[in-house]
Amino acid sequence: AQSVTQLDSHVSVSEGTPVLLRCNYSSSYSPSLFWYVQHPNKGLQLLLKYTSAATLVKGINGFEAEFKKSETSFHLTKPSAHMSDAAEYFCVVRTSGTYKYIFGTGTRLKVLA
Amino acid sequence: ETGVTQSPTHLIKTRGQQVTLRCSSQSGHNTVSWYQQALGQGPQFIFQYYREEENGRGNFPPRFSGLQFPNYSSELNVNALELDDSALYLCASSLLGDLTGELFFGEGSRLTVL
Repeated sequence: AQSVTQLDSHVSVSEGTPVLLRCNYSSSYSPSLFWYVQHPNKGLQLLLKYTSAATLVKGINGFEAEFKKSETSFHLTKPSAHMSDAAEYFCVVRTSGTYKYIFGTGTRLKVLA
Repeated sequence: ETGVTQSPTHLIKTRGQQVTLRCSSQSGHNTVSWYQQALGQGPQFIFQYYREEENGRGNFPPRFSGLQFPNYSSELNVNALELDDSALYLCASSLLGDLTGELFFGEGSRLTVL
């Protein structure tokens, strides 16, 4: 069965410093992987997606993630945090050919001035 | 391009009552999924509808039911509400056959059960 594990429930960074949000996945088949962001009282917005093309995926707002099959990881990074990045981030897996998306428990990112 | 819209945004019910939540899909999308997001948790898959039929379901009891209409809009119905049903209910639309599998979410309906 497929699953995702977000290794940190909370991450705090200073504005202008790098962001690293960690995600490990488990899937029997080639997965599709996504990162979504949720700002307070808002719906989920897609940041980026991996669908078996390039392993380094670039998303919106300067975020990127690297798919590492050997480590079963899909960590989200950003070189320089901005105050507006403060939100909840979800790693999501969908196994090819299925309808079901499995969400991680989320990482709350706090950006300090 | 019209996004996913949900109504109502907030509602309060009492235990044992029934609730109907509504969702309009993004233009051109033929599939709608519903998710339950409890406080502090990630969204949990409830079910998905395609061509007005349920074509996938998560681990939710039968008192959670849905409908999809010919214009691809959808309803989520929950009967015999329980306190644990308090959550944000998210609707997501997509296009079946889209290999990227991207889901487009509405802002959700926040249900409080007292």
